[in-house]
Amino acid sequence: NAGVTQTPKFRVLKTGQSMTLLCAQDMNHEYMYWYRQDPGMGLRLIHYSVGEGTTAKGEVPDGYNVSRLKKQNFLLGLESAAPSQTSVYFCASSYSSFQGYTFGSGTRLTVV
Amino acid sequence: GQQLNQSPQSMFIQEGEDVSMNCTSSSIFNTWLWYKQDPGEGPVLLIALYKAGELTSNGRLTAQFGITRKDSFLNISASIPSDVGIYFCAGQQGGGSQGNLIFGKGTKLSVKP
Repeated sequence: NAGVTQTPKFRVLKTGQSMTLLCAQDMNHEYMYWYRQDPGMGLRLIHYSVGEGTTAKGEVPDGYNVSRLKKQNFLLGLESAAPSQTSVYFCASSYSSFQGYTFGSGTRLTVV
Repeated sequence: GQQLNQSPQSMFIQEGEDVSMNCTSSSIFNTWLWYKQDPGEGPVLLIALYKAGELTSNGRLTAQFGITRKDSFLNISASIPSDVGIYFCAGQQGGGSQGNLIFGKGTKLSVKP
């Protein structure tokens, strides 16, 4: 049982490049989330989804887009990467909004 | 947005010592959760609390949901080297977008053997 799988694990981008981070869960969870983690800032919610075909903005959505075309996948896109987007990105999922989240192991992104 | 104040920011303790950390907010929360993050990994859920005053244990870990619903506490007894990591509190206020977890900034625990 894989849980929440994130790909890639590491990535270096040049400013202005685009990329997509993939999150896949095999727990049939309805809710999925993208967080970024920066030193001293804790975990901040970027976007989330409450079901297939739905997305919503979190606390820090600017510069990111998301899609949830399939229930098990939640994609995070950066259209034009900026150095301020250097961070560790975590995907999480939950069965309902009242349950704790299961996190993936993260993607470390560096924008130079 | 809502903030959770987690303290202390970091702790350096000797193996065998007990550890206490807490999380406070100016707002009421319906659920409190405690996560641990090992280096290079994602946070893992340790304990979930759903009722004011609730006291729940998971091995050497004990967490409490404050009576005011504005705070929560985590205690680790007889610390061991594998307790090293970052501990996050998280709170949830309700359903819909209010159901999204809000995280504290974490307590970094270091244990000296």
